[in-house]
Amino acid sequence: KNQVEQSPQSLIILEGKNCTLQCNYTVSPFSNLRWYKQDTGRGPVSLTIMTFSENTKSNGRYTATLDADTKQSSLHITASQLSDSASYICVVLKNQGGKLIFGQGTELSVKP
Amino acid sequence: SAVISQKPSRDICQRGTSLTIQCQVDSQVTMMFWYRQQPGQSLTLIATANQGSEATYESGFVIDKFPISRPNLTFSTLTVSNMSPEDSSIYLCSVDSQTTNAGYEQYFGPGTRLTVT
Repeated sequence: KNQVEQSPQSLIILEGKNCTLQCNYTVSPFSNLRWYKQDTGRGPVSLTIMTFSENTKSNGRYTATLDADTKQSSLHITASQLSDSASYICVVLKNQGGKLIFGQGTELSVKP
Repeated sequence: SAVISQKPSRDICQRGTSLTIQCQVDSQVTMMFWYRQQPGQSLTLIATANQGSEATYESGFVIDKFPISRPNLTFSTLTVSNMSPEDSSIYLCSVDSQTTNAGYEQYFGPGTRLTVT
């Protein structure tokens, strides 16, 4: 079954600290993996997109990694800010049919 | 990139009534997607709307409950019919748009928060 599992479900960190969110997937065949940030009451906004051959991709303080062999990805947030408080969603694009498979999201709360 | 707007941003409706949600994109796109996000859940695709043809519905979603219109390449509507409290969700419109590196990115609207009482 094509699935995307994220952990932890929720996370609370202090402002300025780093954190890492995890994503494991069983989607096959795989086209690319995306991380989205969804602020409360808003639609998801893309942070990174990685294809099979990419191991790391950065977008400012966000760094995503991908291990296509183990089917794992992580999103590392450096020097967190209060505005990083949001839901972070891992999404895998399936190669056949072009379907997006969404993870449940990790709810991040950054406290002052 | 693509900028998407939705109307209304939120609504509270009585059971048994219907609500039509509008989605407007700032550029012409072939496919538009409608998603539902139930409280605490991730996004679930309802249907894909191509201009000039019938929408394609995902398993568990039917046209009688969620009729979709796609009159042109920048606009679509989703109607939630005969609503029940279980329809309380955020409904999101989304499009694919080609990025500068020749790939495709998916953009989402701000969503319509629907509460059915």
